[in-house]
Amino acid sequence: ELKVEQNPLFLSMQEGKNYTIYCNYSTTSDRLYWYRQDPGKSLESLFVLLSNGAVKQEGRLMASLDTKARLSTLHITAAVHDLSATYFCAGVGGGATNKLIFGTGTLLAVQP
Amino acid sequence: ETGVTQSPTHLIKTRGQQVTLRCSSQSGHNTVSWYQQALGQGPQFIFQYYREEENGRGNFPPRFSGLQFPNYSSELNVNALELDDSALYLCAARDGELYGYTFGSGTRLTVV
Repeated sequence: ELKVEQNPLFLSMQEGKNYTIYCNYSTTSDRLYWYRQDPGKSLESLFVLLSNGAVKQEGRLMASLDTKARLSTLHITAAVHDLSATYFCAGVGGGATNKLIFGTGTLLAVQP
Repeated sequence: ETGVTQSPTHLIKTRGQQVTLRCSSQSGHNTVSWYQQALGQGPQFIFQYYREEENGRGNFPPRFSGLQFPNYSSELNVNALELDDSALYLCAARDGELYGYTFGSGTRLTVV
């Protein structure tokens, strides 16, 4: 079954700095999702990556997908405090359900 | 407003009791999935319903059951509650024409 791993698990950044969160997955996934979760809240959809080489950007966040390497990245540019949250990537487990298989999450803390 | 609503938002139950969680989504969301998110972990797939039939299940015991209704609402029932059932329960609805999953705001269940 598909396994999804993220690293780092915890990331403390200073405002204005750049950093990348990595998401590795073990077998083929038709697509790759990125979500944001604030403490005690639900999941907010950030990106859906559908094909090899896909790149999407929204504000200070940019996500990419390399299906050959089974790797997705979420790049943060010039971090601001409002980006502090937990970020999850998820692949599609296959079969009839297309269930989402989530990584363990990356807790991002942006310090002023 | 995501179009997916869950109730209640919080719930406290005693070990051994039964609980029903509810999810309602807008027309067109013919697929609904339920996820369990324990504290500090990524969501885990419980099961999925498509057009009122269960079409996939994760590694959860039979005391976790569900229903989907013609009006696109859904229920998650858990019998014989255990302390480890304490978690955030999320439902996710998907439009058959799109790849995105929209998550509800979640129900925080505490079993004491």
